[in-house]
Amino acid sequence: EVVMTQSPATLSLSPGERATLSCRASQTVNSNLAWFQHKPGQAPRLLIFGASTRATGLPARFSGSGSGTQFTLTISSLQSEDFAVYFCQQYNSWPQTFGQGTKVEIK
Amino acid sequence: QITLKESGPTLVKPTQTLTLTCTVSGFSLSTPGVSVGWTRQPPRKALEWLALIYWDDDKRYSPSLQNRLTITKDTSKNQVVVTMTNMDPEDTGTYYCAHRRSDPRTSAYYLEVWGQGTLVIVSS
Repeated sequence: EVVMTQSPATLSLSPGERATLSCRASQTVNSNLAWFQHKPGQAPRLLIFGASTRATGLPARFSGSGSGTQFTLTISSLQSEDFAVYFCQQYNSWPQTFGQGTKVEIK
Repeated sequence: QITLKESGPTLVKPTQTLTLTCTVSGFSLSTPGVSVGWTRQPPRKALEWLALIYWDDDKRYSPSLQNRLTITKDTSKNQVVVTMTNMDPEDTGTYYCAHRRSDPRTSAYYLEVWGQGTLVIVSS
C-alpha cells in the first residue's frame, strides 16, 4: 500500500503567518490527493481534492499544489479558525491511505 | 445538503462483534455513482480505511481487516452498516463514515462529506 508521510508533525505559527504543510507519497498517486482539516469533536472537512482544486466555499487563502509523490498545502495568512490538524489522503489506489497529520498550533 | 451520522455501541468487549450504522441524508444509496465508506482513527494514530460500498453493491475491504469486516447497505432506510468481528482493544478508536464523490477529471473517488464519528472502546 502507499505510505503517506506528512511534515512537520507540528507547526507553531502566529495568526497572519503563512503555513506550508508537506505530504509525500511512497509511490506516485498522480493528482489523486486530498487535504482535510480536522478539529476535535468535529467531522473532518474536505479542503482540497485533485491536489489543487478547492472544495466548494473554501477561502482562497487555502491552496494545494503538487503531483506524483510530493504535495503541499499552503495557508497564505492564518486565521484563528485555521488552527487545527490537517491530513492528506491519496485516493489513487486501494487502500486509500492517509498521512498521520500536521497540527497547526498557535505560537 | 449531504449529511452522515454514525451510531453504535460505545463499549464492546474483546471477542465481541461490533455493528456500526451510518444513516445518510441528502442523497440516495441507489443513485449511480454513489459510494460510502468507513474509516477509523485509533488514539494518536493515522486514519485507516475499513471498507466501502458502491450504489451497485460492489464492495472493497481493507486488505489487513477483510476477514473481519462486512459492509452492507439498506437503501430503503438510507443506511450503511459495517460489522467487525473478534474485537480487540487495538480496535479502540473513532469510527467515521463518509460520502465519496468521483473526481470528474480522473474518475477516482475522494471523501467529500464525513460524519462526526463515533467512539468505540474495546475493553473487558
